[in-house]
Amino acid sequence: DTGVSQNPRHKITKRGQNVTFRCDPISEHNRLYWYRQTLGQGPEFLTYFQNEAQLEKSRLLSDRFSAERPKGSFSTLEIQRTEQGDSAMYLCASSWQQGAYEQYFGPGTRLTVT
Amino acid sequence: DQQVKQNSPSLSVQEGRISILNCDYTNSMFDYFLWYKKYPAEGPTFLISISSIKDKNEDGRFTVFLNKSAKHLSLHIVPSQPGDSAVYFCAASAIRAGGTSYGKLTFGQGTILTVHP
Repeated sequence: DTGVSQNPRHKITKRGQNVTFRCDPISEHNRLYWYRQTLGQGPEFLTYFQNEAQLEKSRLLSDRFSAERPKGSFSTLEIQRTEQGDSAMYLCASSWQQGAYEQYFGPGTRLTVT
Repeated sequence: DQQVKQNSPSLSVQEGRISILNCDYTNSMFDYFLWYKKYPAEGPTFLISISSIKDKNEDGRFTVFLNKSAKHLSLHIVPSQPGDSAVYFCAASAIRAGGTSYGKLTFGQGTILTVHP
């Protein structure tokens, strides 16, 4: 399977704990995106990387959120001191920088903060 | 500020008939539009796209129409099949001169399509 993969698929955590999610993009893609989706809404952009450089961050991405893509391959998204409002589906996508503009999504990580 | 809107939360269609899903946008910078389909517990799957230099793009049973002056696009599915039942998202992007995308996609809220046998 050469699609986008995300781990874990589900995460239940207590409020105040830190969590980290991993995304492995399609290997030929140099762009990697993180989105968040809550019930009844479309995915909302959080941040994206081109190779290892983080090029844009949404204002939705508070100081408790940090993302990295250290070698331009996989990426991690960390949420510190989780709050109940962080409960959502966290989606990762990848694409080429230029040419085809479609982004290909992974299955997502469902976070539940209790 | 909802820059991409799908005003119909749900649509129910009989198998074999046409499904028409609508999407409106407000940001004039958007010049590339995409439709995604999402099944429960899966990520969105790319379906079809259209550039602002076109007004129609067709791929099998799926056709997307773009009306730039009205800032409106629609997805037609003909004939509809029960397996098409899913949530459909409209998304928009801006492309820089030279062909590089600005990166992020802006999504609508989604429309739940149910195709009855």
